[in-house]
Amino acid sequence: EAGVAQSPRYKIIEKRQSVAFWCNPISGHATLYWYQQILGQGPKLLIQFQNNGVVDDSQLPKDRFSAERLKGVDSTLKIQPAKLEDSAVYLCASSPGGDTQYFGPGTRLTVL
Amino acid sequence: GDSVTQMEGPVTLSEEAFLTINCTYTATGYPSLFWYVQYPGEGLQLLLKATKADDKGSNKGFEATYRKETTSFHLEKGSVQVSDSAVYFCALSEFGNEKLTFGTGTRLTIIP
Repeated sequence: EAGVAQSPRYKIIEKRQSVAFWCNPISGHATLYWYQQILGQGPKLLIQFQNNGVVDDSQLPKDRFSAERLKGVDSTLKIQPAKLEDSAVYLCASSPGGDTQYFGPGTRLTVL
Repeated sequence: GDSVTQMEGPVTLSEEAFLTINCTYTATGYPSLFWYVQYPGEGLQLLLKATKADDKGSNKGFEATYRKETTSFHLEKGSVQVSDSAVYFCALSEFGNEKLTFGTGTRLTIIP
């Protein structure tokens, strides 16, 4: 069974630029999560989707971050414009339901 | 709100030593508890979990027991190997809400 795929694996941009990350969850998994992991900290949930609907986006900085999950499968997370403090690893996870989540390898973003 | 407090790292041990990584939590309800592991260059993987008080999760020689009276979920292994070198995250999710709340992580290095 293929795992959660993410791309790109690494991205370097300058502040005020835009960036987008892509996630393909495990086939059949209805729930998809995006986490932000700042260096030295644990992952923090940004947004949770159930199929193509948003369940929880309470910690998403909506003035600059947006996310969508078209057709309840792939998802894209966008930052526009980026700030220095957005430098982090962005993790995508999926779940078939229940309490076990499966994580992708992450996208490491560096904002200069 | 929910929170997870982990033993500060990094932790360095010799091969075959006994390992304990402390984890305590604060939650409003009856959470499920997890240990995730992140090996170098890889994504987060579920190591073990426990869903109710006095449950013991175990995997790959690691164990953790859900202690409701002390709100703890300490990770233990009797004899560590070099291949156990990784970052370990304690996490919780509340019943009915699948989102994970993570601790800050503990970096473990095992020297031969």
